[in-house]
Amino acid sequence: DAKTTQPPSMDCAEGRAANLPCNHSTISGNEYVYWYRQIHSQGPQYIIHGLKNNETNEMASLIITEDRKSSTLILPHATLRDTAVYYCIVRKTSYDKVIFGPGTSLSVIP
Amino acid sequence: KAGVTQTPRYLIKTRGQQVTLSCSPISGHRSVSWYQQTPGQGLQFLFEYFSETQRNKGNFPGRFSGRQFSNSRSEMNVSTLELGDSALYLCASSLGSTQETQYFGPGTRLLVL
Repeated sequence: DAKTTQPPSMDCAEGRAANLPCNHSTISGNEYVYWYRQIHSQGPQYIIHGLKNNETNEMASLIITEDRKSSTLILPHATLRDTAVYYCIVRKTSYDKVIFGPGTSLSVIP
Repeated sequence: KAGVTQTPRYLIKTRGQQVTLSCSPISGHRSVSWYQQTPGQGLQFLFEYFSETQRNKGNFPGRFSGRQFSNSRSEMNVSTLELGDSALYLCASSLGSTQETQYFGPGTRLLVL
């Protein structure tokens, strides 16, 4: 079973911030939180990852709670091209067996 | 730097046949992982190779096998194809050290008739 839970779907107005939550209450101290997205049947695209500090890159920001039991991916100004399934996963090492959950289907609405 | 490439992109086979899919990782990446994606089961981990050795394996039958070559290119093979093997097969590469991001290829879409 996946170690994360995410809402199955969300809508966001174009130009607004999209905040995608992820619960990982059983995360261990050396597990990282990774976010990927998959645009209709393409390969998943890496977005961002973090351990315990908040992270930001050109695509998104990742906010991890102090107890590390949940996180939020923020797309600051959502565009129609951000419509995709977003996956939150936790893993310790690059060779961990990665278990993807069903993810959150984000629809950006004009 | 070129991304992960997978060939072929589309494939149609019939039940009972076998198929070989190929993955070329990003230059310098030594780890290749394979995933199967179906509408019903989502993204499922098949196996991971590093330096020509299988380092991790998912819960798939022995009909699914893989290998990695000295140049880090990888192939996966499915023998005795079943209708349920119809899926998008994805590979992902990473440098292979303890904590490295995986980058996915575009996938091979396999249809078994």
